[in-house]
Amino acid sequence: GAVVSQHPSWVICKSGTSVKIECRSLDFQATTMFWYRQFPKQSLMLMATSNEGSKATYEQGVEKDKFLINHASLTLSTLTVTSAHPEDSSFYICSASRQGLLHFGNGTRLTVT
Amino acid sequence: AQSVTQLGSHVSVSEGALVLLRCNYSSSVPPYLFWYVQYPNQGLQLLLKYTSAATLVKGINGFEAEFKKSETSFHLTKPSAHMSDAAEYFCAVSVNTGGFKTIFGAGTRLFVKA
Repeated sequence: GAVVSQHPSWVICKSGTSVKIECRSLDFQATTMFWYRQFPKQSLMLMATSNEGSKATYEQGVEKDKFLINHASLTLSTLTVTSAHPEDSSFYICSASRQGLLHFGNGTRLTVT
Repeated sequence: AQSVTQLGSHVSVSEGALVLLRCNYSSSVPPYLFWYVQYPNQGLQLLLKYTSAATLVKGINGFEAEFKKSETSFHLTKPSAHMSDAAEYFCAVSVNTGGFKTIFGAGTRLFVKA
C-alpha cells in the first residue's frame, strides 16, 4: 500500500528559530500533497495544498511567509515554520494524494519554547 | 461547497456493545466519503471509503458504513466494540473539482469501557 513518511515525529525548538518538516511518499509519486494543522482534541485544518513544481496554494488565514512550503520533487514536500513562536506549537500532518485517496504521514508534534 | 457534521464529540460504549458514530454531509456534487481513525500522536488511517459503488461499505477492523443519499448520512458502525477501538474517528467528504479537496468533520472520540 501507499506509504507516506513524515519526519521528524516530534521537535522542540526555541522561539525565533525555524523548523523544517519533511513529507515523503515512499512508494508512489505524489504531484499533490497537503499540509494540515491539528489543535488538541480538534479536527484537521487544511493549511495548504502543495503542488510539485509550482507554488503552494494556501488556505485563507494561513500566513504563507510563516509557513513555507516547497514541493521540489514528486516524492518530497517540506513545510518550514519560520521564526517559530509558542502559538505555533501544534501537531502538523501531511498527506499525499494518490488516485483520489489520501495517505497520511504520522504527524509531527512541534513544541516551541 | 461541501461540509461534514459529526454528531457527538464523544461516544462511550461498553466492550462488546454496538458502536455507532454519526456523520452527515452536504455536497453539491456526488461525493466520495471516508472514515478515518486516529490514535494518539499519529496520523490518520483509512477505515473505509464510499466512491459511488455499493452503498454498504465494509472496512478494516470490522467497521462498516452505509451511504444513505436521502438522509445525506454515512454513519459508521461496528457490531461489537473492542478496547483497541478506542480512538478518534473522523468522517470526511471529498469532491473532484479539478483536483480532490477533502473536508474533515470535527471528529468523535470513542471510549470503550471494560
